[in-house]
Amino acid sequence: QVQLQQWGAGLLKPSETLSLTCAVYGGSFSGYYWSWIRQPPGKGLEWIGEINHSGSTNYNPSLKSRVTISVDTSKNQFSLKLSSVTAADTAVYYCARSVLGWVATYSYYYYYMDVWGKGTTVTVSS
Amino acid sequence: EIVLTQSPATLSLSPGERATLSCRASQSVSSYLAWYQQKPGQAPRLLIYDASNRATGIPARFSGSGSGTDFTLTISSLEPEDFAVYYCQQRSNWPPLVTFGPGTKVDIK
Repeated sequence: QVQLQQWGAGLLKPSETLSLTCAVYGGSFSGYYWSWIRQPPGKGLEWIGEINHSGSTNYNPSLKSRVTISVDTSKNQFSLKLSSVTAADTAVYYCARSVLGWVATYSYYYYYMDVWGKGTTVTVSS
Repeated sequence: EIVLTQSPATLSLSPGERATLSCRASQSVSSYLAWYQQKPGQAPRLLIYDASNRATGIPARFSGSGSGTDFTLTISSLEPEDFAVYYCQQRSNWPPLVTFGPGTKVDIK
């Protein structure tokens, strides 16, 4: 059974860089995309971006200028860096496995996130 | 950007009742919509993918339907553990962007 274990600094000051890592245990690392999602206190879910085992990335345009997602296939890990954080970046950050495939008949991608990490609470405060 | 709208924002029901949750997309997402359940302090859990397929281990009381722009998640008979927030989610082709609806909270009446 696939499990995601995530870790990283939980308290940051404004302008610092958020850094989180997610390790994948018990399953294949290739053939999927690996995503980061965040949830501010009391609010909904926001997709940050994703990466595959080859290092191909997609980012949310609203965060793209500050986000870097990287992969270490030798360790089955992927990481998130978010620069120049502010209080608005305070949230629970989740990593997740994303299943992505192209359906030629409908010219559309199927996509869902079927395995999630437990989440890391990140607080930005001076 | 495809915007997902969920209704109602809150659904107050009693155990044993039927819950019907709606998700509407601002443009067609074909049949490629997913539903998640989130309980307080927990990560979201995948319930339904491709609009109508139950994820592994999800009870049969959960069902999904719809295509194009209108989708429904139905819980046929609410169990105590079903009171939670439910999100729909889609991924647009271009630009590649994943979006979630704002959520529907199902609480105990």
